[in-house]
Amino acid sequence: SSELTQDPAVSVALGQTVQITCQGDSLRMYYATWYQQKPGQAPVLVIYGEKNRPSGIPDRFSASSSENTAYLTITGAQAEDEADYFCKSRDSSGNHLVFGGGTKLTVL
Amino acid sequence: EVQLLESGGGLVQRGGSLRLSCAASGFTFNNYAMTWVRQAPGKGLECVSGISGSGDSTYYADSVKGRFTISRDNSKNTLYLQMNSLRVEDTALYYCAKRGASDFWSGYSGFDYWGQGALVTVSS
Repeated sequence: SSELTQDPAVSVALGQTVQITCQGDSLRMYYATWYQQKPGQAPVLVIYGEKNRPSGIPDRFSASSSENTAYLTITGAQAEDEADYFCKSRDSSGNHLVFGGGTKLTVL
Repeated sequence: EVQLLESGGGLVQRGGSLRLSCAASGFTFNNYAMTWVRQAPGKGLECVSGISGSGDSTYYADSVKGRFTISRDNSKNTLYLQMNSLRVEDTALYYCAKRGASDFWSGYSGFDYWGQGALVTVSS
């Protein structure tokens, strides 16, 4: 099991706001990075560093954190945001990179 | 345009070996750390190995340490993963990905470009 815990599935109505969470003790010390993966495609980086978006990622994607939890927020979710979302950070020892188990986002 | 093209995947018996390659273009290869991330069918992501831009620092997940070896040839803009003593549980799609920094452990960058993956199937 991963040291980063994500809800397996989350749904959001079209145009509404959704928050995807990632929990782990290591997040008290290390930033979470977020990736989006659509079926049959390679992952895409959506958030890096504390809350930076790569070029080409819409500004409806944002990130925040508190204590041992990192949050990916999509403000005004679009149909094309339906995908799996994975967080990544170090483990509690700091010696390994780990991914969360992923959250499947459904846009209704 | 950044491109990462994996090759070398295939079907191998348990205990066998394979070498994956990742040909990179569109960026100054030796300025960036690289990584191999795998995804078993229907499962999540696992970072199995990484290497700094200069090649002098490497990382391995516990699940592959002692069996896999990552390397890079900066003169050929190519990343490699030598996989020995393969197990059924190594069956996965192996992605090559570029880090947005020369240091593999950089906390201020992510894996900003990915290839389409090379499928490795280990049979029993």
